[in-house]
Amino acid sequence: DAKTTQPPSMDCAEGRAANLPCNHSTISGNEYVYWYRQIHSQGPQYIIHGLKNNETNEMASLIITEDRKSSTLILPHATLRDTAVYYCIVRSQGAQKLVFGQGTRLTINP
Amino acid sequence: DAGVIQSPRHEVTEMGQEVTLRCKPISGHNSLFWYRQTMMRGLELLIYFNNNVPIDDSGMPEDRFSAKMPNASFSTLKIQPSEPRDSAVYFCASSLAGTGEAFGQGTRLTVV
Repeated sequence: DAKTTQPPSMDCAEGRAANLPCNHSTISGNEYVYWYRQIHSQGPQYIIHGLKNNETNEMASLIITEDRKSSTLILPHATLRDTAVYYCIVRSQGAQKLVFGQGTRLTINP
Repeated sequence: DAGVIQSPRHEVTEMGQEVTLRCKPISGHNSLFWYRQTMMRGLELLIYFNNNVPIDDSGMPEDRFSAKMPNASFSTLKIQPSEPRDSAVYFCASSLAGTGEAFGQGTRLTVV
């Protein structure tokens, strides 16, 4: 699976949109982009995934560039409870292994 | 649905003792995963099962570790004998093909 690169940490003000970038320049045609997060002392939580179209659900939006070499996870109105480590993972269709990197530690400030 | 249920939540044991971690996946999910998380190595996949059959155990650190899934609603991860370097948080996760994994709350293992 392709490698991803994320900033180690980010800050965002409560109520503002949090935009978390991820680079995956070696992604191949059948690889999906997945996002998970891990709130302190909890298990990882699935957020969203996509192939090439932008996706939105009740938690977040995922914007994938046209060349698919990068993506952005958007939390539209961040709350203090969104403080967590966010992992961007590239994964082949049908593959079941999740390989977690170091992620981005997002801190939402009041 | 109660989600993925792991027990115990915390385990403290002495070096050399056998440790058994338990997991109940979400009903209807056909894949089950065991992960380990440490500060040094982050989240690592140890083993996963499809339809109760072990598919990939390449992440299991050594023969002291074993995992079983006797039926669709139960799995165990056993460490025998345990060592201090096994101290970590162990997560179980389950999924249905095409969906994201659901993780349990984890078992924090401390081997003294």
